[in-house]
Amino acid sequence: DTEVTQTPKHLVMGMTNKKSLKCEQHMGHRAMYWYKQKAKKPPELMFVYSYEKLSINESVPSRFSPECPNSSLLNLHLHALQPEDSALYLCASSQPGTGEGYTFGSGTRLTVV
Amino acid sequence: KNEVEQSPQNLTAQEGEFITINCSYSVGISALHWLQQHPGGGIVSLFMLSSGKKKHGRLIATINIQEKHSSLHITASHPRDSAVYICAPERDDKIIFGKGTRLHILP
Repeated sequence: DTEVTQTPKHLVMGMTNKKSLKCEQHMGHRAMYWYKQKAKKPPELMFVYSYEKLSINESVPSRFSPECPNSSLLNLHLHALQPEDSALYLCASSQPGTGEGYTFGSGTRLTVV
Repeated sequence: KNEVEQSPQNLTAQEGEFITINCSYSVGISALHWLQQHPGGGIVSLFMLSSGKKKHGRLIATINIQEKHSSLHITASHPRDSAVYICAPERDDKIIFGKGTRLHILP
């Protein structure tokens, strides 16, 4: 299995909803990442987990809450989002120190109404 | 000044043409990634370079660490190569995305 699987592919949520995005990989990668991408812009790093520990938080608002329950799974919990949070949320994984590139998921397209 | 500059920003070419996309960066890096993003969002990692040159099929990537410059070349371009190509230097365990080059190959 050489993929990063993200679910759901599309999500529409209200500003008072609580939802979660899920990311899964079975390549044994020990670094996992969340990115946010607005239309026609490059992805922006949100969080990095390294060996299941949060290593980088790019000053992301607390309405986004990441979780890494195990080495294969990465979640992004969403609560009280704003319409401007609508974007493509991308997950990626890599294996530190191998010289191999990142593997990206196909993303969750989130719309906040 | 942006940390990563790509050129051109947009490129339209005929099928079969040799394509070159350039990337300059201003910071010290541990590696540089070339990524491909198709409409709809999925990103594919094409290369990760820390020195020299790599080749995969019709794609070639080079990097000159001293000059802080990398290039991506596509030989015998094809309409299916149409996508956004992103240069992404890596530093401090983070990759810094360039704005991308939007490539359109005409049949």
